[in-house]
Amino acid sequence: GDSVTQMEGPVTLSEEAFLTINCTYTATGYPSLFWYVQYPGEGLQLLLKATKADDKGSNKGFEATYRKETTSFHLEKGSVQVSDSAVYFCALSDQSNTGKLIFGQGTTLQVKP
Amino acid sequence: ETGVTQSPTHLIKTRGQQVTLRCSSQSGHNTVSWYQQALGQGPQFIFQYYREEENGRGNFPPRFSGLQFPNYSSELNVNALELDDSALYLCASSLPNSGRAYEQYFGPGTRLTVT
Repeated sequence: GDSVTQMEGPVTLSEEAFLTINCTYTATGYPSLFWYVQYPGEGLQLLLKATKADDKGSNKGFEATYRKETTSFHLEKGSVQVSDSAVYFCALSDQSNTGKLIFGQGTTLQVKP
Repeated sequence: ETGVTQSPTHLIKTRGQQVTLRCSSQSGHNTVSWYQQALGQGPQFIFQYYREEENGRGNFPPRFSGLQFPNYSSELNVNALELDDSALYLCASSLPNSGRAYEQYFGPGTRLTVT
């Protein structure tokens, strides 16, 4: 079945450092790909998405490119802030009529001042 | 535009009891999905409701059941609670489109603790 694998955390960075969180997926067909962010004690917020190969999703300085050849959707940000500290989830929308989301296990990011 | 809301925020139940969690979808969204997020894990799909009918189900036993109402709000019911049911329960609403890129918008969740 479809699955998503993320790099294990926690990831600890200093403010203004470059961020990469790796995400790879296994799926039949061409799923849509998403990054969600979860701040402490809160639900999930959609950060960005890409619906087809070579699409680049971007939001709030974060970017991710849908790479079909490597089945990857790595999240990047050029300069992280303390306020970016959260758990980041990579997800795909499966090809069924529900479009249910299949999530990775999450990667905790901690940014230190 | 009102976002997805869930109630209650927190709940403590005893093993064997039953619980009902509630969700109001974002304005205009006719599809509601429920997810279970165990501590330190990604959310797992429980089921989805579309136009008041179950539209798909994940790998959860029948003691997890749901309803959707004409105003598209939804309930998740869990019978015979087990300790492993302790989790954050997330509701997400969406508006299906022909591209199947269902953007799902999540509520803040209900934290259920089973003792």
